[in-house]
Amino acid sequence: QQPVQSPQAVILREGEDAVINCSSSKALYSVHWYRQKHGEAPVFLMILLKGGEQKGHDKISASFNEKKQQSSLYLTASQLSYSGTYFCGTEYVKTSYDKVIFGPGTSLSVIP
Amino acid sequence: DAGVIQSPRHEVTEMGQEVTLRCKPISGHDYLFWYRQTMMRGLELLIYFNNNVPIDDSGMPEDRFSAKMPNASFSTLKIQPSEPRDSAVYFCASALGSSTDTQYFGPGTRLTVL
Repeated sequence: QQPVQSPQAVILREGEDAVINCSSSKALYSVHWYRQKHGEAPVFLMILLKGGEQKGHDKISASFNEKKQQSSLYLTASQLSYSGTYFCGTEYVKTSYDKVIFGPGTSLSVIP
Repeated sequence: DAGVIQSPRHEVTEMGQEVTLRCKPISGHDYLFWYRQTMMRGLELLIYFNNNVPIDDSGMPEDRFSAKMPNASFSTLKIQPSEPRDSAVYFCASALGSSTDTQYFGPGTRLTVL
């Protein structure tokens, strides 16, 4: 039940925009986004709950499309510091002891 | 706050040896997670604890792996005997309140089994 992420990798020039998608074949309760820079630990970006809300974090925002069981992460006017691997994590059922399943990651490289 | 602390940061060992990885979660966090990260398999959840009790160990690969949490501020992941295919980065993370709240990851332990 690992979510699917696309694209696997993307290279951008500074200032360009990117979209990373995370999709599931099962109904989602929430989607979590993390970024991992090379050689470092994953760092939390945001959580989206079902209901289709969109969240923002500086120039990084995300949406959750409940109909499509998909979340998209939008990176606007990319900066060199955005480089890293972006993971989505999915939660399927809201129970007391659910867990987040992480996708394979999308590698993002921003070049000058 | 010091964040999640892991030790050692790097471990190189020979096949067949016992390996113990250590983790100190953020003070006050109720949940502790152990992950393994490899290029082939990505970020895999091995086990997680709530209030020192193991809740879900379905990701533990086999009997060679064991994890304990004797108190709220310390956990270990042990591999005995170690094999080359165990080479990976092992992360510990902690969360406050629920198993799906924001997770704060430690810096990881890079394990190499020769």
